[in-house]
Amino acid sequence: AQKITQTQPGMFVQEKEAVTLDCTYDTSDPSYGLFWYKQPSSGEMIFLIYQGSYDQQNATEGRYSLNFQKARKSANLVISASQLGDSAMYFCAMREEDAGTASKLTFGTGTRLQVTL
Amino acid sequence: GAVVSQHPSRVICKSGTSVKIECRSLDFQATTMFWYRQFPKQSLMLMATSNEGSKATYEQGVEKDKFLINHASLTLSTLTVTSAHPEDSSFYICSARADRTEAFFGQGTRLTVV
Repeated sequence: AQKITQTQPGMFVQEKEAVTLDCTYDTSDPSYGLFWYKQPSSGEMIFLIYQGSYDQQNATEGRYSLNFQKARKSANLVISASQLGDSAMYFCAMREEDAGTASKLTFGTGTRLQVTL
Repeated sequence: GAVVSQHPSRVICKSGTSVKIECRSLDFQATTMFWYRQFPKQSLMLMATSNEGSKATYEQGVEKDKFLINHASLTLSTLTVTSAHPEDSSFYICSARADRTEAFFGQGTRLTVV
């Protein structure tokens, strides 16, 4: 079974608008972390935001916020006031903190975001 | 944020030769580094987990003898693709864990085997 699911292969958003990128996850580990990364065409992976499973509040980092709904096992990324430079692939990832997993990240299949004028 | 440097960013090699890729954590000590492979328009697939001073842990289906990983120090891990073939052409990227809340990636290496 997929541990991380991103159901949107591609998304379009108009400049200055907000956009939500979906991510659902599956784990039985009570302690885990959820990450979002941006991958522009250059290939580098840029860390955007982190949400811990025990964090009470949704994470925010500038224009990025994470809509964490633990009961639904979803961790959607919200980008506000989109900019042309936001066009990239976006990956959701999970790290289970169980001692046996070596803290490795499991990635979703990604969502390609295109910001238009 | 923490800086992870990966070198080279691009490499072209002949079939049958070996290629070494370096991953360095520049401003923190990383006891664990991870190596991923990414095919075009696909997600990152974990190849192996590299622990300083010990043997790497490989994911199922990854050939240990083909993808040699060495984690010589707390700031350096290397991936050597041995006897490279065109099907090894891919984007390889490393990451290092700084703390529980973040994991930083190198810039990636695009390997082309001709």
